[in-house]
Amino acid sequence: DTEVTQTPKHLVMGMTNKKSLKCEQHMGHRAMYWYKQKAKKPPELMFVYSYEKLSINESVPSRFSPECPNSSLLNLHLHALQPEDSALYLCASSQDYAFNEKLFFGSGTQLSVL
Amino acid sequence: GDSVTQMEGPVTLSEEAFLTINCTYTATGYPSLFWYVQYPGEGLQLLLKATKADDKGSNKGFEATYRKETTSFHLEKGSVQVSDSAVYFCALHNAGNMLTFGGGTRLMVKP
Repeated sequence: DTEVTQTPKHLVMGMTNKKSLKCEQHMGHRAMYWYKQKAKKPPELMFVYSYEKLSINESVPSRFSPECPNSSLLNLHLHALQPEDSALYLCASSQDYAFNEKLFFGSGTQLSVL
Repeated sequence: GDSVTQMEGPVTLSEEAFLTINCTYTATGYPSLFWYVQYPGEGLQLLLKATKADDKGSNKGFEATYRKETTSFHLEKGSVQVSDSAVYFCALHNAGNMLTFGGGTRLMVKP
């Protein structure tokens, strides 16, 4: 199994809603990542988890809250988002943080904030 | 800091045409270089990589050679297909850092 699975594929939410994005991998990878991608732009790193501990937070607003319940799962909790947060949110994993250049990406969650 | 510059797209080609997508980089030390591809509605996939100067990465008919003297890693394919239509991202990796992506180049191949 070489897949990173993300759910849901599409999400529409209001600015007062609370929702969560989910990501799962069963490759035994110990590093997991959240990226944000705006249309026609490269992915921007948000968070990195290494061995289930948060290693990098790229100054992301607190309305985005990551969680890594175990080595296979990664969540992104969303609360009080703004319309400018609408984007494709990509989860990725790698064998280890030291191998963070070879990333396996999920298909993403297309988020629209109304 | 490290940076990657790609040619602006879109690049529009007819099927079986020759493809070149330019990529140049600025980095300290000896980075590894990558091409990732993003098909419509999907995440990115690693297409090929090269880890040292003069290495050639290749996959699915695509090739790129790590040229340290020109700090370049241009992507080429001899005969493109409609199914190659996608966005291509050049990236570099320096030890201890995260991947640095270029801006992406959209390729459109017409039948």
